[in-house]
Amino acid sequence: DAKTTQPTSMDCAEGRAANLPCNHSTISGNEYVYWYRQIHSQGPQYIIHGLKNNETNEMASLIITEDRKSSTLILPHATLRDTAVYYCIVRVEYTGYDKVIFGPGTSLSVIP
Amino acid sequence: SAVISQKPSRDICQRGTSLTIQCQVDSQVTMMFWYRQQPGQSLTLIATANQGSEATYESGFVIDKFPISRPNLTFSTLTVSNMSPEDSSIYLCSVEDPQGRRGTQYFGPGTRLLVL
Repeated sequence: DAKTTQPTSMDCAEGRAANLPCNHSTISGNEYVYWYRQIHSQGPQYIIHGLKNNETNEMASLIITEDRKSSTLILPHATLRDTAVYYCIVRVEYTGYDKVIFGPGTSLSVIP
Repeated sequence: SAVISQKPSRDICQRGTSLTIQCQVDSQVTMMFWYRQQPGQSLTLIATANQGSEATYESGFVIDKFPISRPNLTFSTLTVSNMSPEDSSIYLCSVEDPQGRRGTQYFGPGTRLLVL
């Protein structure tokens, strides 16, 4: 299983872009990168995923390097409600279904 | 997406007893998952529940301790048996995306369990 490494914690000023890095140097060619977040006292929330192209949705952008060994989740205008633990996950594919295996994640604090 | 509810939302239990947690989803899904989140920790997958078959448990988790039922495509239960204080955790269920986007899961709000 491909493993990911993320910084333990980060701060970001409110209104600025939050850039959360993730290393996944052992990722294989057909493995997707997923991002989830968990706001305090809530269940995790799916944010975005990608294979090799950059992706954008209403929540965030995902930038994956050309060699696919790392990626960056970008929250373009961070708000206080974006304070959460962010998990970078490489999808583990099994026959008929996939598991989402969580690492320790990055605790993002958005500061007023 | 999918909307998931869990019951109870929280409970305080005595050691040696058992608690059954219910998970209800608002649409039919093939795969449901149960996670545990110990205080200050990340989530750990307990087992995967496919409707109509035995649950598949992760290393370190056994059916005698965490029996799971999956009677239909919208419901599952997890029982925490013969509880000890080490079982104090948040227990979360999740479902695979009803539209079949593999790797995309939706989570319930969790059940906060304290064992005395």
